[in-house]
Amino acid sequence: QVQLQESGPGLVKPSGTLSLTCAVSGGSISSSNWWSWIRQPPGKGLEWIGEIYHSGSTNYNPSLKSRVTISVDKSKNQFSLKLSSVTAADTAVYYCARTLYSSGWYVGYWGQGTLVTVSS
Amino acid sequence: EIVLTQSPATLSLSPGERATLSCRASQSVSSYLAWYQQKPGQAPRLLIYDASNRATGIPARFSGSGSGTDFTLTISSLEPEDFAVYYCQQRSNWPPSWTFGQGTKVEIK
Repeated sequence: QVQLQESGPGLVKPSGTLSLTCAVSGGSISSSNWWSWIRQPPGKGLEWIGEIYHSGSTNYNPSLKSRVTISVDKSKNQFSLKLSSVTAADTAVYYCARTLYSSGWYVGYWGQGTLVTVSS
Repeated sequence: EIVLTQSPATLSLSPGERATLSCRASQSVSSYLAWYQQKPGQAPRLLIYDASNRATGIPARFSGSGSGTDFTLTISSLEPEDFAVYYCQQRSNWPPSWTFGQGTKVEIK
């Protein structure tokens, strides 16, 4: 059973960079899956941030693309998110996730989520 | 970008009643659509994928239907644990992008 665990600072200052890591256990990050970051502002819906394949290939949400970097560390079986120039609008619960492929792509596994607050 | 519109925003029902949730796509997504359930303080959970396939461990009272632009999630008889928020989701292949509907809250009447 794949398990995902997010970690990183819970408080980031405006204009700073949000950095999170997702540790993967119970499976290899080099498996044939995409690994995603999804966020949810308090009381609101889900927003896809981006995804990475173990080869390092990435896809990003066009609305966030200029500020987002997702990377993978196969030696540590983890992947990471960096979001730069943050504002209060970036306050959200951030989830890491592993996709499931059938005929389409879906989120099969979710981390528990971590709340990141942007505030001075 | 494909937009997913869910209706209604809120559904007020009693345990034992049937729930019918709708998700409409701005253009065809074939049958590549999923439904998730989210309870307060928890991550979403995959219920239905490929429009009509139940994920592992999902009870038979949950069913999905539809193709193209119109999709439905049906809960045949609401159990107390089914009161939650439900999201639909699709992933476009080109350009690669995921979108979620805005959610439907199923609340106790």
